[in-house]
Amino acid sequence: EDQVTQSPEALRLQEGESSSLNCSYTVSGLRGLFWYRQDPGKGPEFLFTLYSAGEEKEKERLKATLTKKESFLHITAPKPEDSATYLCAALSGNTPLVFGKGTRLSVIA
Amino acid sequence: DAMVIQNPRYQVTQFGKPVTLSCSQTLNHNVMYWYQQKSSQAPKLLFHYYDKDFNNEADTPDNFQSRRPNTSFCFLDIRSPGLGDAAMYLCATSKYTSWAGTGTDTQYFGPGTRLTVL
Repeated sequence: EDQVTQSPEALRLQEGESSSLNCSYTVSGLRGLFWYRQDPGKGPEFLFTLYSAGEEKEKERLKATLTKKESFLHITAPKPEDSATYLCAALSGNTPLVFGKGTRLSVIA
Repeated sequence: DAMVIQNPRYQVTQFGKPVTLSCSQTLNHNVMYWYQQKSSQAPKLLFHYYDKDFNNEADTPDNFQSRRPNTSFCFLDIRSPGLGDAAMYLCATSKYTSWAGTGTDTQYFGPGTRLTVL
């Protein structure tokens, strides 16, 4: 069964304190790994898609990387406005997108 | 801007009273999805339409139905809401379901409808 596990469940950072969020996946034949940001009471906002091991994508203070078993979302010098839940999802073959439960990030000024 | 719109944003219904949630999109995408998300949980796919082809997840209760009258609109009908159906309902769209490497399988979500069942 395809699975996506995110860690930690919650992360509290001081403003400017860089860190990484982890997404481990066990899917047969990964076709895409997606990162979303979700603010409370809102729908997920698309951030990145990664398709192959070694691929990296960046957007402002965020950088996503992909290996054959996991993906990382690196947050450099975070600001309070980066506080949100970050969701990871894997797509394989013809199965639906499999989401992790997310990492709830709080950045304290 | 092209987008996914959900109405209403908040819906309150009574136990057992049918309710319909609406989703529209201006992205001209072929695929529309409905997800249920409960607090601190991952979104759970209920069903999706690829054009007019309906695909139901095996564990989606019969209480949930969907209609897609045209490319732009999709509806979620909950025939007899129970207390356990209180959740955020998310609509998403993608150009295709799986076309790796081109970005056309990326799902874009609407803002969600928060359903409360009294």
